[in-house]
Amino acid sequence: TQLLEQSPQFLSIQEGENLTVYCNSSSVFSSLQWYRQEPGEGPVLLVTVVTGGEVKKLKRLTFQFGDARKDSSLHITAAQPGDTGLYLCAGPFPSKETSGSRLTFGEGTQLTVNP
Amino acid sequence: ETGVTQTPRHLVMGMTNKKSLKCEQHLGHNAMYWYKQSAKKPLELMFVYNFKEQTENNSVPSRFSPECPNSSHLFLHLHTLQPEDSALYLCASSQGEDQRLSYEQYFGPGTRLTVT
Repeated sequence: TQLLEQSPQFLSIQEGENLTVYCNSSSVFSSLQWYRQEPGEGPVLLVTVVTGGEVKKLKRLTFQFGDARKDSSLHITAAQPGDTGLYLCAGPFPSKETSGSRLTFGEGTQLTVNP
Repeated sequence: ETGVTQTPRHLVMGMTNKKSLKCEQHLGHNAMYWYKQSAKKPLELMFVYNFKEQTENNSVPSRFSPECPNSSHLFLHLHTLQPEDSALYLCASSQGEDQRLSYEQYFGPGTRLTVT
């Protein structure tokens, strides 16, 4: 059973469109991270959300943590081809929060922005 | 630039070969990780080292053997691998002391491994 479910799995849009991708769980997380991975590279950390209801903005990217800390969303405004990549959410393994370092990842959303 | 380097970037090996993957981090972190990324599967944590001590072995077969000589270097020794071990192997690092910071992991570019 996957702890973090991401949707959609694949998304192909035209440049200039807006989009939202989701990361959902039935478990409560103390924090969630979003990463972007481009072909042939490792994931790059975009943001960490910690507080329920928190909203963080990174240029055209808006991240939100659900009030109950069970879900998160990523909204991209006016998408550009450079936004193309695999978007991964990750969170500390709920049963092992005291271990401090174990992350569980969703399967990711593969976003393609066409020029 | 993430401050985490991995070599080689690509590796093709036969099932009877022995090879090693290398990871080096220049971020002053204390924790290092090995992950496996296969097609259509989420990232799988393999090993965790915190202050050079292995703190996690996620039921990884013994044909994968990690080594962490110091907080900046991490190796993954490979022997008698199977074709299903073909994947992207990613190294990551994070701060070890602060629990919140330890979840913010910085990844290397990965080694694309093909087992023939």
